[in-house]
Order: sequence, then structure tokens, then C-alpha cells
Amino acid sequence: DTGVSQDPRHKITKRGQNVTFRCDPISEHNRLYWYRQTLGQGPEFLTYFQNEAQLEKSRLLSDRFSAERPKGSFSTLEIQRTEQGDSAMYLCASSTTRQGFSGNTIYFGEGSWLTVV
Amino acid sequence: GESVGLHLPTLSVQEGDNSIINCAYSNSASDYFIWYKQESGKGPQFIIDIRSNMDKRQGQRVTVLLNKTVKHLSLQIAATQPGDSAVYFCAENLQGAQKLVFGQGTRLTINP
Repeated sequence: DTGVSQDPRHKITKRGQNVTFRCDPISEHNRLYWYRQTLGQGPEFLTYFQNEAQLEKSRLLSDRFSAERPKGSFSTLEIQRTEQGDSAMYLCASSTTRQGFSGNTIYFGEGSWLTVV
Repeated sequence: GESVGLHLPTLSVQEGDNSIINCAYSNSASDYFIWYKQESGKGPQFIIDIRSNMDKRQGQRVTVLLNKTVKHLSLQIAATQPGDSAVYFCAENLQGAQKLVFGQGTRLTINP
């Protein structure tokens, strides 16, 4: 059973450096989401894709953040010029519109921890 | 802004007892609700979901109840086990939107 896969699981970077996270969704899931979670808080929505189209972006996604899903399969989330406030867990999730239950269950990966020092 | 909240940040129960975790939501336009379990250092794990046209849904050892009149959601876990220890989040999805709004979570601790 292949779930949502994220890489790397942990990243420590110096302030000002760029980092990139990769997400591989569940096979054949056409929707892919990025969320951010800080300690003691629930995940916060960042952006989502349907196939290769990025359909919504949160205000949390500043200009330093960019997400892509070029072929409608895996996705990358890049953070440029990292700041200490970017330290968080970045969660990827996926779902499909193809199942009968129209609420389309959203499944999360294990997350990528970012620490900016 | 409107958001999902939880009544209690922590809950301790005896092993074998039933647990009830509560959640209040404020957005009447939300039509889909999910409960997630999150263990330390891991991503949220789907437990059970419910749509707004239902008031109860059962899974294996878990039941979700939805009271739209008072905008309340609860998760009942039967015969709580040590492996149930985790933080539990409820999340709501606004009708027509594709993003979940999470509450802060309730930490469930199982006492032996």
C-alpha cells in the first residue's frame, strides 16, 4: 500500500538558503495539497493542485514560496531565502475526485520537517 | 475568521474506557468533516469522515457524530487502547472549496 511520500523528511538549513521538498501522491490521485504545521497547531492550508493546475493559494504562501506539479504527478515546494519563521513541518496530501464519495478523502504524508538556523 | 475549534486541549482516559473528543465549528457552509489522528513526528492519519447530510457514521471502534444545529462534531473511540494515544484533529471543508480548516487538536492520553 503506497501512501503519500515526502522527501526529505528532515532538513536543516541556514537562513537565506533555498530549500525544496518533494511529494509523491498516492497513485492516480489527481488532487495534491500542501499544508504547513507548526508545533502545537493544526495544519494550515498552503495550496492545492488538480492535475498540473494550481487552483488555489493561501495568503500564507508568500512570494518566496513556489509550488509546482509539472506533469500532474509529483509536486515540489520550494522556499527561497528561508527565514527562521519558515521552520515548520510541511505536509503534502492527496485525494481523488474519482471515487463515489464526493467528499474525497484527503490522505496526508509523514511530512518534511524544516529547521532554519 | 471562522475556524474549527476544540473544547479541550487534553483528555486522559483509562485503558478500556470509551473516549469522546469534541469539536465545535463555526462555518455553517461547511459540508464535510474529517477526524485525523496524529502521532508524534508523523503526519495526520485519516480516521473517519462525515458529510453534512448525515448525523452519524461508524467505523472500526470509532463513531463520528455531527450536530448541525449547534455546529458540533464529536469522535467516540470505543475500548481505548494505548495505541490510541495521539493528538486528534477535526477538520472542516467549506462547501465548494478544496481546503481543510483544522482546529488546534486534542491530546488523548491513555492511562494503564
